[in-house]
Amino acid sequence: EPEVTQTPSHQVTQMGQEVILRCVPISNHLYFYWYRQILGQKVEFLVSFYNNEISEKSEIFDDQFSVERPDGSNFTLKIRSTKLEDSAMYFCASSERRIETQYFGPGTRLLVL
Amino acid sequence: AQTVTQSQPEMSVQEAETVTLSCTYDTSESDYYLFWYKQPPSRQMILVIRQEAYKQQNATENRFSVNFQKAAKSFSLKISDSQLGDAAMYFCAYRSGETSGSRLTFGEGTQLTVNP
Repeated sequence: EPEVTQTPSHQVTQMGQEVILRCVPISNHLYFYWYRQILGQKVEFLVSFYNNEISEKSEIFDDQFSVERPDGSNFTLKIRSTKLEDSAMYFCASSERRIETQYFGPGTRLLVL
Repeated sequence: AQTVTQSQPEMSVQEAETVTLSCTYDTSESDYYLFWYKQPPSRQMILVIRQEAYKQQNATENRFSVNFQKAAKSFSLKISDSQLGDAAMYFCAYRSGETSGSRLTFGEGTQLTVNP
């Protein structure tokens, strides 16, 4: 069964460093998403992406965040200058159409020191 | 803005018994979708079940079923014949069907323990 994959599974970085989280959505899916979950808290929406542009973003998704689909398979989340409070689990998800179910990847656990 | 509330931070059930997890939501929309996701200790988010608001029939997936009460804005998950592998955090989620947005709004989660 097709699934969303994410790399790396774990990342440790120093505050102020840039990180890029990578995702490979399900191949026939057209909508891509990033969510984050700070430890012990609910899952929060960051951004959705369709047709090579951001279709929706939350108040969390400020100028330090960016997303890109650099090729036909990858979808990336870049955090330009990480802060301690960026430590969280980051989930990528994809759906075939906007109204279809979103399928999640296994997540990348980001720790900012 | 839509909100999702799960009032039970923790629940426990005996193996083979039935348990119901509660979820309420607040919305002014008539077209929307509701979901239950399961998050085991690995922290991966796994879809359990989905309900379209326009459907009167409650969704079922094997041992999992929902009680969708649209007027009450309630969406509970029933797990029958609970198994040890059902132990996980369960999140209720809402998605609008009317606006151009597609974000999922999650509740706080309910930690389910299954006792042997």
